[in-house]
Amino acid sequence: DTGVSQDPRHKITKRGQNVTFRCDPISEHNRLYWYRQTLGQGPEFLTYFQNEAQLEKSRLLSDRFSAERPKGSFSTLEIQRTEQGDSAMYLCASSSGTSASYEQYFGPGTRLTVT
Amino acid sequence: ELKVEQNPLFLSMQEGKNYTIYCNYSTTSDRLYWYRQDPGKSLESLFVLLSNGAVKQEGRLMASLDTKARLSTLHITAAVHDLSATYFCAVEAYNNNDMRFGAGTRLTVKP
Repeated sequence: DTGVSQDPRHKITKRGQNVTFRCDPISEHNRLYWYRQTLGQGPEFLTYFQNEAQLEKSRLLSDRFSAERPKGSFSTLEIQRTEQGDSAMYLCASSSGTSASYEQYFGPGTRLTVT
Repeated sequence: ELKVEQNPLFLSMQEGKNYTIYCNYSTTSDRLYWYRQDPGKSLESLFVLLSNGAVKQEGRLMASLDTKARLSTLHITAAVHDLSATYFCAVEAYNNNDMRFGAGTRLTVKP
């Protein structure tokens, strides 16, 4: 297992366009998280899945943002009608969610630039 | 609302010196994490602290948790240049999966 992977690693888009990011968690990790990180700040929680169920969403996740995890494995994060303020690093993390390990393992991130 | 504060935000230290980074949080929590991030890279897990009085050590880094004071510390012993990075603490509120990060401490170790 090579860890959490994210695709693409970098995305440049024009304002108003839609973008979709993918996250592949560590195999058999049933919990998957999305975060957003802007320069010089800590990651901000966006949303969380347990298997295919989206259990929590931050107020940061406006109507333009949607996340799915249809089969409880990989997840996608879509941003519609992108704005310049959406420019950030989008991080995905996964964890096994058992009492033995609450640790979240982070992927390399997708850096979004909206021009 | 859970708030997490780290200090200092910037730390420049000489090799061989000791220092402590502090992480305060505002509500009851039973899970606290420390992460390291190198420029342009993702986050690497350092420590998971799950109970009051928990202490964990890895190399020159030692983390502790005082849940009564809502305080965690990350102590650096005899710093070396390779420790230069940004260190984040993160807290999960009790019965909540919303993990909040501090703003990070940017550590620079100079020869």
